[in-house]
Amino acid sequence: KAGVTQTPRYLIKTRGQQVTLSCSPISGHRSVSWYQQTPGQGLQFLFEYFSETQRNKGNFPGRFSGRQFSNSRSEMNVSTLELGDSALYLCASSPLGVSNTGELFFGEGSRLTVL
Amino acid sequence: AQSVSQHNHHVILSEAASLELGCNYSYGGTVNLFWYVQYPGQHLQLLLKYFSGDPLVKGIKGFEAEFIKSKFSFNLRKPSVQWSDTAEYFCAVNDYGGSQGNLIFGKGTKLSVKP
Repeated sequence: KAGVTQTPRYLIKTRGQQVTLSCSPISGHRSVSWYQQTPGQGLQFLFEYFSETQRNKGNFPGRFSGRQFSNSRSEMNVSTLELGDSALYLCASSPLGVSNTGELFFGEGSRLTVL
Repeated sequence: AQSVSQHNHHVILSEAASLELGCNYSYGGTVNLFWYVQYPGQHLQLLLKYFSGDPLVKGIKGFEAEFIKSKFSFNLRKPSVQWSDTAEYFCAVNDYGGSQGNLIFGKGTKLSVKP
């Protein structure tokens, strides 16, 4: 069974640009969550999608957005990049959500560097 | 707002030593509790979880954790560590019945085991 796949794995952007990251969940999983991981702040929740609807959102500015497609694949977009957006962006999937099953399955992440 | 505190940033042990990593959370209601592990170069994976029932839960690779409600704690233990346990360990909490995809993570504890 394939795991959570994130693309691209590494990318470098400059300030002011935008970026789109992609996540393919485990087959059959309908919930996709995104987290930002930095050395200073640790893992911080961005948002969660379930059946194409955003079900929950963390405390990030509106420059961070996402969506989910009918096949449960998800994308997140960051517009007007800032230096502080440099981070590892993790996608996690679960069948119905962490409160239901108790486990998130994480991808290896997309490492974004903003210059 | 909920928060999770992991008091040890970096723990260094010799093989066969006993391990206890502290985790405290701030939330007065019912919670689900988790420990995740990130081995070098690998993705985050679930080590163990507590939903209800026996407050002493056992996970993979000989790890266990004890939920002490009165102390808002969920400490991770292992009687005898191995070099292969070198990793970063994250405690996380999800409020029961709350947001489905939102785990609040501690900032992690790096464990280095000397052979």
